[in-house]
Amino acid sequence: AQKITQTQPGMFVQEKEAVTLDCTYDTSDQSYGLFWYKQPSSGEMIFLIYQGSYDEQNATEGRYSLNFQKARKSANLVISASQLGDSAMYFCAMREVYTGNQFYFGTGTSLTVIP
Amino acid sequence: DAGVTQSPTHLIKTRGQHVTLRCSPISGHKSVSWYQQVLGQGPQFIFQYYEKEERGRGNFPDRFSARQFPNYSSELNVNALLLGDSALYLCASSLENTGELFFGEGSRLTVL
Repeated sequence: AQKITQTQPGMFVQEKEAVTLDCTYDTSDQSYGLFWYKQPSSGEMIFLIYQGSYDEQNATEGRYSLNFQKARKSANLVISASQLGDSAMYFCAMREVYTGNQFYFGTGTSLTVIP
Repeated sequence: DAGVTQSPTHLIKTRGQHVTLRCSPISGHKSVSWYQQVLGQGPQFIFQYYEKEERGRGNFPDRFSARQFPNYSSELNVNALLLGDSALYLCASSLENTGELFFGEGSRLTVL
């Protein structure tokens, strides 16, 4: 089974609007971390936001927020007030704290911001 | 401060050759991980090193090997290259064994 599932291959959003990128995960561990990374065409993976499995409040970082629904095993990324520079690939990732050191990544969502 | 640096940025090899990719972590970071990203996919874990010891290995054949040096830089070696090894190879460093990953811009390998 896939550890991370991103069901939206591509998304479009109007500049200044908000957009939600979906991510569901699969783990039997109680302790894990969820991450979102942005990958522009240059290739570098840029860290955006982190949510720990025991965090009770949703994480926020500037225009990024993570809608964490533990029971549904979802960790959607919300980008508010989209900017043209937000156009990129977005990857959801998970690390299981006690069962390994690797990050599991989804297949990504390509976001295009329309002026 | 310098981020994670990787070299070379682009390279072309032919089947059967070997390749060495290099990575310098962020100063102070003791953990280095390697990921392979095939076009259209998310990164796949290859190796993780912490304090010069291998701490994790992904599902890759023995043609893939890596090491970490006393200055915490790392090399990824791939022998007997196959066409399917064509990918972006990403190096990431972290402060701790299980910390947040900081990625370099990658080495884009093309195997002909």
